Amino acid sequence: QKEVEQDPGPLSVPEGAIVSLNCTYSNSAFQYFMWYRQYSRKGPELLMYTYSSGNKEDGRFTAQVDKSSKYISLFIRDSQPSDSATYLCAMLTGTASKLTFGTGTRLQVTL
Amino acid sequence: GAVVSQHPSWVICKSGTSVKIECRSLDFQATTMFWYRQFPKQSLMLMATSNEGSKATYEQGVEKDKFLINHASLTLSTLTVTSAHPEDSSFYICSASPSGVGSGELFFGEGSRLTVL
Repeated sequence: QKEVEQDPGPLSVPEGAIVSLNCTYSNSAFQYFMWYRQYSRKGPELLMYTYSSGNKEDGRFTAQVDKSSKYISLFIRDSQPSDSATYLCAMLTGTASKLTFGTGTRLQVTL
Repeated sequence: GAVVSQHPSWVICKSGTSVKIECRSLDFQATTMFWYRQFPKQSLMLMATSNEGSKATYEQGVEKDKFLINHASLTLSTLTVTSAHPEDSSFYICSASPSGVGSGELFFGEGSRLTVL
């Protein structure tokens, strides 16, 4: 079993829809949770960064962490075609220096 | 956010030659940088951790003599793919953190696409 599981998609939604992206994990030592957006042939861009459980909102993006269920989510409101990209979740324990990535979910927002 | 720059963004080389990729932190100092490799439609695979002033730490299965890493200053790490072969063709990405490696707040370079003919 992988430490971090993420549905690779692709996920196709119409413009304006609410998008829900999710990751599950097995290592209870993870404390830091990140979401990265990666456009084709580009490096990942840090979108959201959360420590421990709870919600964090930034514009149209909301990150949720449920440590009891070992489940994290990224919600995108009013999705735009420019949101079409691969979204990678990543996690880190409090002592490790290396991120553990999900496989990424490819999102396509259509007009 | 912090800026990490990679150069070149795209390189084509002949089999048997060596290629150097640079990773720079433009607005912060980084004692540690990370090098990743990414195949099409796959996630990032950590290759090595680059430590300023000391030897890099390589992940299991990564050939240290094949992928030479030098972290000579607090803002520059280089990855040299020696005697490149077509199977080394990939997308190489570096990352660094202005907050320290334990924070998880990593920023990535734009990536360098290597094509070996």
